[in-house]
Amino acid sequence: EPEVTQTPSHQVTQMGQEVILRCVPISNHLYFYWYRQILGQKVEFLVSFYNNEISEKSEIFDDQFSVERPDGSNFTLKIRSTKLEDSAMYFCASSGEDPSSYNEQFFGPGTRLTVL
Amino acid sequence: GQQVMQIPQYQHVQEGEDFTTYCNSSTTLSNIQWYKQRPGGHPVFLIQLVKSGEVKKQKRLTFQFGEAKKNSSLHITATQTTDVGTYFCAGGTASKLTFGTGTRLQVTL
Repeated sequence: EPEVTQTPSHQVTQMGQEVILRCVPISNHLYFYWYRQILGQKVEFLVSFYNNEISEKSEIFDDQFSVERPDGSNFTLKIRSTKLEDSAMYFCASSGEDPSSYNEQFFGPGTRLTVL
Repeated sequence: GQQVMQIPQYQHVQEGEDFTTYCNSSTTLSNIQWYKQRPGGHPVFLIQLVKSGEVKKQKRLTFQFGEAKKNSSLHITATQTTDVGTYFCAGGTASKLTFGTGTRLQVTL
C-alpha cells in the first residue's frame, strides 16, 4: 500500500541553525501538508500546498518557515533559524487523487526535531 | 480562529467497557473527520462525516455528527487493548484541517 515517507526520523540541531525536513508524499496525491505536534499535545496545522503554491498557512508558519516541492516527488519544510520552541514532531501528509478524496489525509511517520 | 475541543482529555477503562469521546467546534463545520494516533505513531484516518445528524459505524466504532454540525462523538463498544491511543476529531477544508485537543484512551485487562 502506498505511504508517505519522511526523512530523517530524528534531527538534532543547535538553536539558530537551519533545518530541512523532507517528505515524499503518495505519488498521485495533489494536496500536501505539514503539521507539528509538541509532545503530548494536539496536532497543529502549519501549511498546505496545492498546484505548486501555498494554499493556506497558519499563524505558526511565519517568515522563518518555507516549503518547497523541488521535483515531482519531494516536499520539504525549511526552518531558517531554529528556536528552542520549534522542538516538536513534524508530520507531513498528503491527500487527493481527485476532489472527492481531498479530505482523507495520509500522514507520514514524522520527524522528531530537537533544538538545543 | 476556529477552536475544536474534546472531552475527556484522558480516559482509562477496563477491557470490555464502552468509551465515548466528544468533540465540539466553535464554528459550524462542513465535515468532521476522526483520526487515531497510537502511542509513538502518526495520525491515521478513521472516517469522515458530512451530513447533519449523520451516523456511521465501523465494527465496534460508532461516529455521529451533530444536527447543528458543530459537534461530533465517537463511541467504542466493548473496548479492546488494541483500541489504546489518542483519538482526534478534525474539521475544516481540504486546504486546512483543525485538529481537536484529543482524547487519550488507556485500556487495561
